[in-house]
Amino acid sequence: GESVGLHLPTLSVQEGDNSIINCAYSNSASDYFIWYKQESGKGPQFIIDIRSNMDKRQGQRVTVLLNKTVKHLSLQIAATQPGDSAVYFCAENSGNYGQNFVFGPGTRLSVLP
Amino acid sequence: NAGVTQTPKFQVLKTGQSMTLQCAQDMNHEYMSWYRQDPGMGLRLIHYSVGAGITDQGEVPNGYNVSRSTTEDFPLRLLSAAPSQTSVYFCASSTGTSGGGNEQFFGPGTRLTVL
Repeated sequence: GESVGLHLPTLSVQEGDNSIINCAYSNSASDYFIWYKQESGKGPQFIIDIRSNMDKRQGQRVTVLLNKTVKHLSLQIAATQPGDSAVYFCAENSGNYGQNFVFGPGTRLSVLP
Repeated sequence: NAGVTQTPKFQVLKTGQSMTLQCAQDMNHEYMSWYRQDPGMGLRLIHYSVGAGITDQGEVPNGYNVSRSTTEDFPLRLLSAAPSQTSVYFCASSTGTSGGGNEQFFGPGTRLTVL
């Protein structure tokens, strides 16, 4: 039978549109969050981070929103490009393992021409 | 800087064999970690080290050993490989500063298959 986790949630967007990727985190004590991008065959790559004393942070074409009330993070990518196609992970630092992170299951972003 | 390097890139083992996955970083980072990534899933922490001579367990430590004799190197040992250890292994390093704001840099990964 199929195994949960083998089928990543997938978001398909048209090139040039905005993308929103959502993530629910698990620990209300987590105080630091990172979004990572992982391309096929490569290690995760840092995109943007946010601390728990903020609710929004902007980078180049990316914005992260944090809602601590419902333990929710989102990553917004403006004017999505083919090079944005990848798997995106949110990661939380709760202090349970020092400065290490607990990763979410990931969302696959597919950019359509 | 080479960043975080891992060897080998690919490895096939038979059940019961042992091997060591190598990880090195040239950024003088205190923190180093090992994660595994199973198909379609996020990364799970195996072991980590906050500095030379200090290691600790992560979320899934069973079946793995680590040691940290130098700042640069953090090898991961599989003592008796099992098919459940088939995965992609990532090493990461960071400055380890307290209070968050601590980006982890990842290596390219080692793809391990245990038959």
